[in-house]
This record gives sequence, structure tokens and C-alpha cells, in this order.
Amino acid sequence: DTAVSQTPKYLVTQMGNDKSIKCEQNLGHDTMYWYKQDSKKFLKIMFSYNNKELIINETVPNRFSPKSPDKAHLNLHINSLELGDSAVYFCASSLDYEQYFGPGTRLTVT
Amino acid sequence: GNSVTQMEGPVTLSEEAFLTINCTYTATGYPSLFWYVQYPGEGLQLLLKATKADDKGSNKGFEATYRKETTSFHLEKGSVQVSDSAVYFCALSSNAGNMLTFGGGTRLMVKP
Repeated sequence: DTAVSQTPKYLVTQMGNDKSIKCEQNLGHDTMYWYKQDSKKFLKIMFSYNNKELIINETVPNRFSPKSPDKAHLNLHINSLELGDSAVYFCASSLDYEQYFGPGTRLTVT
Repeated sequence: GNSVTQMEGPVTLSEEAFLTINCTYTATGYPSLFWYVQYPGEGLQLLLKATKADDKGSNKGFEATYRKETTSFHLEKGSVQVSDSAVYFCALSSNAGNMLTFGGGTRLMVKP
């Protein structure tokens, strides 16, 4: 069984569109995260949720809106996509300080 | 704020060579330190960790020691294999929601 899963794996879309990336974890963890990895492999935290509540919101444009319907899911919705949003987005979850990552979603904005 | 600096890659080695990837950090308090590995086309996997000064994390022949006096957590392996080719990330965890701060990543390429 996959511990942290993301869909879709690849997403190609045009500027100005709205898209969502889904994340699910079956580890029973309380905390989930979204990270962005740019073309140079640099990783940066975007959001962190604990038991469906936002606990970290780094400097991210408000076009990005995370939603957590329950503690096993943390979805990322992006409005008005821009070229600079092209990246790989990773979801992760943790019970304590050890984080488990999903396989990533490669978003390409054309 | 917290930051992690690691050596830029790529690092290219022959099989069975000795590996060192340097990592230094800046943090308030007493962070936990990690090395993550990302194989091509995959997500990150935890390779090893250390939660307090002088702890040594080890896994799959890799090891790293938490050095508070030099604020370092260098990754070492005595004999690398082609299958170790990947990108390695040093990271630290603050107490604020267990947020991870990553270094820039170091690509390792091991040639037969």
C-alpha cells in the first residue's frame, strides 16, 4: 500500500487556468505538508496542516489555497496559474519530526 | 531564521570511492537534523537522522554526525555504488510544526 499518494503525477495546463492536486496518506499521521521543488531542485515548505487546521503558511501567493477535508487528505488548489508556478509539488505527512513524502506532481504551465 | 547550506554538485565518483557531502546549518535552539535522498523520478526518502548533539545517524552504509560546535552534519559513505546515484538533501526541523528547512540538494553520480 502506498503511504502518501498524490494525483495527478503530471499536470500540463495553460496560464490563467485553475487546477487542483490531491494528496492522501494512510499512515494515520496528524500533520500534512505541501512543498514546492523548483527546476534547480530547491525545496521550500508552502503549507502545514495539523488535524485539518492550518499551522504554517509560508510566503505563498493567495492564489494557492490548501484544503483539508479530513486529516488523511490535504489538497492544493491553484487559481490563475502563472508560468512561475511550474515545479514539482510534494505532499508529505508526519506523526513527529520524521516526514514521509509522496511521489510528487510535476506541474507545467504553458 | 533557519538555513541549511550544502555543497553544490554534481559530485561524480567512481564505484567504491569514498563520499563526503558537506552540510552546515544555522538555527535557533536545538534542531533535529536529517539527510533525505531523492532517486530519479521519485519523492524524497528519509536516509538518516540525528536529534541531538554528537548523535550519529546511519543507514545503508551512510552516516552523519551531529556536530553542534561546528554546526555541521556531513554525510559520508565509505564505498559508493552506482545505485547510490541520486540527489541528497540535508535538512533541519524546527519546533514550529516540525517544519523542514532544506539545503539546496547535491546530485551524486557514481560511475562503474
